[in-house]
Amino acid sequence: GQQVMQIPQYQHVQEGEDFTTYCNSSTTLSNIQWYKQRPGGHPVFLIQLVKSGEVKKQKRLTFQFGEAKKNSSLHITATQTTDVGTYFCAGRRGYSTLTFGKGTMLLVSP
Amino acid sequence: DAGVTQSPTHLIKTRGQQVTLRCSPKSGHDTVSWYQQALGQGPQFIFQYYEEEERQRGNFPDRFSGHQFPNYSSELNVNALLLGDSALYLCASSLESRNTGELFFGEGSRLTVL
Repeated sequence: GQQVMQIPQYQHVQEGEDFTTYCNSSTTLSNIQWYKQRPGGHPVFLIQLVKSGEVKKQKRLTFQFGEAKKNSSLHITATQTTDVGTYFCAGRRGYSTLTFGKGTMLLVSP
Repeated sequence: DAGVTQSPTHLIKTRGQQVTLRCSPKSGHDTVSWYQQALGQGPQFIFQYYEEEERQRGNFPDRFSGHQFPNYSSELNVNALLLGDSALYLCASSLESRNTGELFFGEGSRLTVL
C-alpha cells in the first residue's frame, strides 16, 4: 500500500532559526496536503499542492511539491514559539483518501 | 458556523467492551472520515462515509464499524476492545465526493482501554 514517510521525526531549534521537514511517498501522488497539530490539539489544514514543481508561500512558510510528485517539503523561516507543534504531510493518489506521514515534531526555544 | 464536533471527548473502557463515538460534520459538509491516532503517530485512516454508505476503508478489522445518518452525522463503533485500541479517534469532514479537498478535523475522542 501507499506509504508516506517524513523526516526528521523531531527537531528542536532556537527561536529565529530555520526549520525544514521532508516528506516522501512510495508512489506518485495526485496532491499533497500539510497539516499542523498543536500539542493536545487536532490537525489543522495548512495547504494543498497539486502541480509538479509547485511552490507556495504563506508568510514565513514555504511549501514545495517535487517534480516527480513523490516528495514535498515545508520550510519555516525564522521560527517563532507559535510554530511549535507537529507538522504532517498527507498524500493522495487519485480519488483515494489521504495517507498521513508520522509527522515532524517541532520544538522552538525562546 | 459550528465546526466538526465529536463526543465524548474522553472515555475509559475495559478490554472486551464496546464503544460508540459520535461526530457531527462541519455545516454543509457531506463526507465524514474517521482516523485513529496513536500517541506519537500520524492519523491512520479507518473508513469514510458518503451518502450514508461506507465508501472507502483502511486496514482495520471488522471490529471497527460505522454509520452515517441522513443529516450527515456519523458514528464509529468498536467491538471487543483491545488494549491497542487506546488512541485519539479523529473525525474529519469534507465537502466533496471526489476526495480532492482539505479535511476539517474535530477535537477528537480520546479512548483509553484498560
